[in-house]
Amino acid sequence: SAVISQKPSRDICQRGTSLTIQCQVDSQVTMMFWYRQQPGQSLTLIATANQGSEATYESGFVIDKFPISRPNLTFSTLTVSNMSPEDSSIYLCSVGTSGSETQYFGPGTRLLVL
Amino acid sequence: GENVEQHPSTLSVQEGDSAVIKCTYSDSASNYFPWYKQELGKRPQLIIDIRSNVGEKKDQRIAVTLNKTAKHFSLHITETQPEDSAVYFCAASISGTSYGKLTFGQGTILTVHP
Repeated sequence: SAVISQKPSRDICQRGTSLTIQCQVDSQVTMMFWYRQQPGQSLTLIATANQGSEATYESGFVIDKFPISRPNLTFSTLTVSNMSPEDSSIYLCSVGTSGSETQYFGPGTRLLVL
Repeated sequence: GENVEQHPSTLSVQEGDSAVIKCTYSDSASNYFPWYKQELGKRPQLIIDIRSNVGEKKDQRIAVTLNKTAKHFSLHITETQPEDSAVYFCAASISGTSYGKLTFGQGTILTVHP
């Protein structure tokens, strides 16, 4: 399976600021997704990162709050904008390849907003 | 959209016993059902998956069964060991599309007592 890395691994931020999280894969992948996992909760899909076009957001998530870029088939970023304490979560990217339903997760970014 | 319900939310067993976790899904078009194991502070790891053209799949001590008619699937772990202690998530998706997004259940905290 692909090797997936995320930066930063964790961060503590002040409310009102923004944080950009990077997801890097060691091989080209078709699909890249961003999930949020709030403390003690399950995983919720934020959006699908589309290469060369705008991301596809799930209900309850908007581009102004979670802008996403995907400039190529190995890299994506998620920005958490104008943060509040409610944004404190683990943010995970996952990847999949064409012809396979299997998704693999990155190590996650633990975000604490004060 | 798809909704996945997972039960129980917590499960405590003695080492050597079996553990069963059940999930139901709402969208009859879903045809791919993975199970992930998440240890504390780590990323979700795929442990087994099943597609809708198969009723059962086994991998050593773990097995998954699928009942398409009833729209439910289950994870079975036999001869449990303390290292099986983790949070387990079921998920569902519609494969064969370019989207492939996963909808997760709420998670089951499995504790195996030595």
